[in-house]
Amino acid sequence: SQQGEEDPQALSIQEGENATMNCSYKTSINNLQWYRQNSGRGLVHLILIRSNEREKHSGRLRVTLDTSKKSSSLLITASRAADTASYFCATVSTHGGKLIFGQGTELSVKP
Amino acid sequence: DTEVTQTPKHLVMGMTNKKSLKCEQHMGHRAMYWYKQKAKKPPELMFVYSYEKLSINESVPSRFSPECPNSSLLNLHLHALQPEDSALYLCASREGTSLYEQYFGPGTRLTVT
Repeated sequence: SQQGEEDPQALSIQEGENATMNCSYKTSINNLQWYRQNSGRGLVHLILIRSNEREKHSGRLRVTLDTSKKSSSLLITASRAADTASYFCATVSTHGGKLIFGQGTELSVKP
Repeated sequence: DTEVTQTPKHLVMGMTNKKSLKCEQHMGHRAMYWYKQKAKKPPELMFVYSYEKLSINESVPSRFSPECPNSSLLNLHLHALQPEDSALYLCASREGTSLYEQYFGPGTRLTVT
């Protein structure tokens, strides 16, 4: 029962460039979270944005949320090879506490 | 200590075997989760424990049996698995309400032969 769609499915950029990933979801949410997963490993929480927030920053990360369009974007600025990973958005709906993941974006940053 | 640990890291088992996966956290989190993840797919929720009681079972086959012996420990008992059960099994924990982020362990890579 995956809720979100992410695009692009895969993104390849050069070190130093910015990477933008988009996420769309279907239901009303309490918050939206972004996670990173290095190949074959656990997920690491990056940032959480609440439904009453429009933009949030954390280091080189910038997240926006548009609840009217049911969409969010994650921007990674000045990317590094170490940013190579899969990135997932995940939502917590207003009707339950489950975390519902999008399909993910596979980011490759070439040195 | 902000870590969730999982053992073993890798597990190969036959379809007639019985094995267990273990997850541990010492962050005082009262909600713990099991997820299953296939290659290039997002994690899929299997079970949720809240205050050591099973609160969500996502219609998981009975060959997977969760157990929460105490607030720090979560087990997943495996019996008579099928090859399609091969996947990365992730454990996670969360403090407070469902509005908070989850902390994930590194996962157990399970192969069923």
